Amino acid sequence: AQTVTQSQPEMSVQEAETVTLSCTYDTSENNYYLFWYKQPPSRQMILVIRQEAYKQQNATENRFSVNFQKAAKSFSLKISDSQLGDTAMYFCAFSRAQIKAAGNKLTFGGGTRVLVKP
Amino acid sequence: EAGVAQSPRYKIIEKRQSVAFWCNPISGHATLYWYQQILGQGPKLLIQFQNNGVVDDSQLPKDRFSAERLKGVDSTLKIQPAKLEDSAVYLCASSLLGKMNTEAFFGQGTRLTVV
Repeated sequence: AQTVTQSQPEMSVQEAETVTLSCTYDTSENNYYLFWYKQPPSRQMILVIRQEAYKQQNATENRFSVNFQKAAKSFSLKISDSQLGDTAMYFCAFSRAQIKAAGNKLTFGGGTRVLVKP
Repeated sequence: EAGVAQSPRYKIIEKRQSVAFWCNPISGHATLYWYQQILGQGPKLLIQFQNNGVVDDSQLPKDRFSAERLKGVDSTLKIQPAKLEDSAVYLCASSLLGKMNTEAFFGQGTRLTVV
C-alpha cells in the first residue's frame, strides 16, 4: 500500500513571496504519478501540477514548480510570487501508473493549509 | 464543458437515519470515484466505478454504505444507517478511460453532518 505524508499542517507567506510545501511518500512501485491539488473554501479539488516518476525533469506550471527527488521519495511544491488567491488547502497525492482504470485512484496526504497575507 | 455535478451541497441528518448523494460526471468520462474527506484530513477513496462496474470498493463500509452507477453515467452513494463518524465531505470525481493517469475532475462535494 502507498502512503503520503505532509508534515506541515499550516504555512503562511507574505504576498509576492515564495513558499515551499513538503511531501514524502512510500511505495514499492517504480512507475507512478505524483500530484499537487489545491482545495479552496469552495471544496472543489483543482489540479495544480503533475509529475511522472520516470521523468527526471521537474514539472513547472507558471508560478508553481516541484522538486522531485525519487530516491528520497520526496515531492515538494514551490509557490513563487504568492497571490491572495493561492490561499487554500494543498494536498499531495500519489497514483500508480496504469493504463487500466484500476490503477488511477489517488492516495492523498493530510494536507497543508496555506495562508497568503497582504 | 460542464464539470462534475453533485447534490445536495449540504445535508444534516440525525444518527441512524439514511441519506443519499447524487453525482453526474463529465460527459464521456467512464471512470467515477467517490471519496470521503473527514474534516482536517485528505480524501480517502470509498469506491471506484469503470462504466457501471465496480473496480475498487475495498474501503467502503459495506454494512452501511452502498453505491451504484446506473447505465454507466450518474451515480448515487447511500448511507443507512448513518453514524456520527460519517460526518464528512463526500467528493465525486470522474476521468477518461484508456489514457494513462488522465486528470481526475472533482465536484464541489456534499458536506454531511450527522447529529
